[in-house]
Amino acid sequence: AQSVTQPDIHITVSEGASLELRCNYSYGATPYLFWYVQSPGQGLQLLLKYFSGDTLVQGIKGFEAEFKRSQSSFNLRKPSVHWSDAAEYFCAVGPPGKLTFGTGTRLTIIP
Amino acid sequence: DAMVIQNPRYQVTQFGKPVTLSCSQTLNHNVMYWYQQKSSQAPKLLFHYYDKDFNNEADTPDNFQSRRPNTSFCFLDIRSPGLGDAAMYLCAIDGGGASGGQETQYFGPGTRLLVL
Repeated sequence: AQSVTQPDIHITVSEGASLELRCNYSYGATPYLFWYVQSPGQGLQLLLKYFSGDTLVQGIKGFEAEFKRSQSSFNLRKPSVHWSDAAEYFCAVGPPGKLTFGTGTRLTIIP
Repeated sequence: DAMVIQNPRYQVTQFGKPVTLSCSQTLNHNVMYWYQQKSSQAPKLLFHYYDKDFNNEADTPDNFQSRRPNTSFCFLDIRSPGLGDAAMYLCAIDGGGASGGQETQYFGPGTRLLVL
């Protein structure tokens, strides 16, 4: 069975600092991997996705993620966070139509 | 422009009173999904439609039903809402196209359901 672990429930970073959100997955084949962001009271917005090819994936809003098969990880990074990045971030894995989401990481930005 | 539209954004219902949530899409993509997201939890897939084919998740309660009268619209019916059904309900569509898009899901803004 597929699963996703986001080990950090809550992360606080200073505005302008770098960010890394962790995601580990379990999946029996080549995974489809996604990062979504959810602002309070809103739906999920797709940040980026990985299916195959280059293991470093660029997304929207300056985010990137790196797929590491040997570590079963797909960590999300941003070199310099902005106050508007404060939100909940979800990693997801799965074949089409069968996404499994992690429990999310809440990101707080301090001035 | 919004691809997935959910109405209303907030819905209040009474315990046991049937309620219907609405989702529409502007792209006529094949697949539409309904998720339930409780506070501080991950979204949980309830069911999805591939065209007119309905696919129910094994652990989705019978209290939850869905209708898709046409490609653009999909409804979530909760026959007898309980207090535990208070949640955000998210509709999503697939990315569309024969390849490179159906793997991805695009979400609407959600409807927050409050059960009194």
